[in-house]
Amino acid sequence: GDSVTQMEGPVTLSEEAFLTINCTYTATGYPSLFWYVQYPGEGLQLLLKATKADDKGSNKGFEATYRKETTSFHLEKGSVQVSDSAVYFCALRSLRDYKLSFGAGTTVTVRA
Amino acid sequence: DAGVIQSPRHEVTEMGQEVTLRCKPISGHDYLFWYRQTMMRGLELLIYFNNNVPIDDSGMPEDRFSAKMPNASFSTLKIQPSEPRDSAVYFCASTSDVTARGDNEQFFGPGTRLTVL
Repeated sequence: GDSVTQMEGPVTLSEEAFLTINCTYTATGYPSLFWYVQYPGEGLQLLLKATKADDKGSNKGFEATYRKETTSFHLEKGSVQVSDSAVYFCALRSLRDYKLSFGAGTTVTVRA
Repeated sequence: DAGVIQSPRHEVTEMGQEVTLRCKPISGHDYLFWYRQTMMRGLELLIYFNNNVPIDDSGMPEDRFSAKMPNASFSTLKIQPSEPRDSAVYFCASTSDVTARGDNEQFFGPGTRLTVL
């Protein structure tokens, strides 16, 4: 079945450092791919998405490119801030149904 | 829009008691999802509805769990009897079928943190 594997954390960075979180997927066909972010005590929020190969999703300085050849959707940000401290989830949705398959989540802590 | 509303935000109960979690989706959304989040198992989909009808309940862990959606603006997730291993954060999410491509965003509620003693 469909599945997502993402880099295990926790990840601790200094402000203005470069962040990358790896995400790979297994799915039939061409799923839509998402990154969700969960701030402490809150629900998940969509950060960015991509629906076809070579699409680049971007938001709030974060970027991820849908790579079909490597079945990957790695999240990157060039200069993190303390406010980026959160748990990040990679997810996919196949076109067969409306279920999202989530990765395990990566906890990111940014220190001032 | 108020977003997805869940109640209660926190629930502490004793083993064997009945627990009811509530969710109000975003108005106009016709899909509703219930998820459970734990440290051990991460984020799991329990069940989802379309137009108030359960579509897939394969994630419901056992018969102690049941979910209903009596109308488009309200859903419940019930656990009876509750057990300590049910302790988790339960999220409700909703979305609308605005495209056929499947890139519709799911909007999550703030969650209910359940503790079963």
